[in-house]
Amino acid sequence: AQTVTQSQPEMSVQEAETVTLSCTYDTSESDYYLFWYKQPPSRQMILVIRQEAYKQQNATENRFSVNFQKAAKSFSLKISDSQLGDAAMYFCAYRRRREDYGGSQGNLIFGKGTKLSVKP
Amino acid sequence: DAGVIQSPRHEVTEMGQEVTLRCKPISGHDYLFWYRQTMMRGLELLIYFNNNVPIDDSGMPEDRFSAKMPNASFSTLKIQPSEPRDSAVYFCASSYWTSGFFSNEQFFGPGTRLTVL
Repeated sequence: AQTVTQSQPEMSVQEAETVTLSCTYDTSESDYYLFWYKQPPSRQMILVIRQEAYKQQNATENRFSVNFQKAAKSFSLKISDSQLGDAAMYFCAYRRRREDYGGSQGNLIFGKGTKLSVKP
Repeated sequence: DAGVIQSPRHEVTEMGQEVTLRCKPISGHDYLFWYRQTMMRGLELLIYFNNNVPIDDSGMPEDRFSAKMPNASFSTLKIQPSEPRDSAVYFCASSYWTSGFFSNEQFFGPGTRLTVL
């Protein structure tokens, strides 16, 4: 069974600084997707960034980037120029990629989350 | 598009009562997921549907929980009878399949915070 581990329950960063959130996962699959979701106090789950395992290049979305190390099964999120609005719970998630229709490939497996605080 | 709609946003009930949570997925999405979020267990999948048919309900905790999807635009999650340990935030999410590719993103609703006294 696939598992996702976030070893940092809480992190803190100074506004405008850079912070990295860690995530490791375990799978026997070779092709899959990885995601980072943000959950602010409003509880809404917001997709921050995604990575396809077959792509060598690390995904980037504005101030958010990932360091994807497939062999190490590591998927960290780097937030540059942190802003007060970045304060939230961040969840790492995994989904295997099997493009056959139906089946059980659809669900996301989440880590327990990292609570990020941003200090002004 | 209004996004995934869930109701109610908050529900407080007493132990033993029946609780029904509702979800309207994004129009055109053919996958619907129900998740539960607690401090102890984090986010966990309860059940998901494809074209209104339950595909995987292995996450449903026990027989007190049931989910239905009578049509493409509506799903319910029912707990009967409810217990205090069911207190959690319940999320509904939807996704779609197109051109043979499963979409990369699940779109989440705002969640229902359930408190069972």
